[in-house]
Amino acid sequence: AQSVTQPDIHITVSEGASLELRCNYSYGATPYLFWYVQSPGQGLQLLLKYFSGDTLVQGIKGFEAEFKRSQSSFNLRKPSVHWSDAAEYFCAVGPPSGTYKYIFGTGTRLKVLA
Amino acid sequence: NAGVTQTPKFQVLKTGQSMTLQCAQDMNHEYMSWYRQDPGMGLRLIHYSVGAGITDQGEVPNGYNVSRSTTEDFPLRLLSAAPSQTSVYFCASSYTTGFHEKLFFGSGTQLSVL
Repeated sequence: AQSVTQPDIHITVSEGASLELRCNYSYGATPYLFWYVQSPGQGLQLLLKYFSGDTLVQGIKGFEAEFKRSQSSFNLRKPSVHWSDAAEYFCAVGPPSGTYKYIFGTGTRLKVLA
Repeated sequence: NAGVTQTPKFQVLKTGQSMTLQCAQDMNHEYMSWYRQDPGMGLRLIHYSVGAGITDQGEVPNGYNVSRSTTEDFPLRLLSAAPSQTSVYFCASSYTTGFHEKLFFGSGTQLSVL
C-alpha cells in the first residue's frame, strides 16, 4: 500500500543553522510529491512539488527538496533557518492511479531557537 | 480573492448533537475534500468530491456525511457527534483532479465534542 513516512516528529534547530526534514514514501510508480507547511492556527500552504524533471526542486521561502528514487526519499532542506520557519511540515504523495486520495505523512514540528 | 473559506472557526458540541461544517471556494475548483488532523496522525481524508453531484469516501468516513450540490460548496455533516470526533477539520480544493495538482486549504475548524 502507498504510504508516506516522516520519521522525525519534532526537530529543534538554532536560527541560522541548516535544516533537513526527512520524508520517505512507498509507491508503486513515479510519485507526485509535495511539501506543505502549516503555521500555527493556519491551513496548509504548498512549499514545493515534484512530478518530473530535475530532481532538485526549488520552492518558496528558500526551501528546496531533492527526489531520490533509489532511496524513496524526498527530503526538504533549507540552508539557513529563520525564526519564522517554526511550523509543522507535511510531506504528501499525489493520488495513486485510480484514486483521488492524496496521502499525507504525520508531520514534523520544527522549533527554532533564537 | 477569498480562496477556501471554512466556517465556523471554533465549535463546541455535546455528544449526540448534529452540526454542519461549511466549506466554500471561489476558484471554480473541481476537486474538494475534507480532512481531519489529530496529533501524531497527520491529515486523514474523510470524504472528497470530484465535481458537483459526485462524492466518495476517504480513509475515515464513518460518522460524517457530505454532499456537493454546487461547484462552490462542500459541507461536512456530523449527524450525531461523538467525543472521538474532536479534531481540527480542514477543507481543501484543487482546480482539477490531476495527480500533480496542489491543494488549497482553508484555515480550519477546531471542533470539541464533550
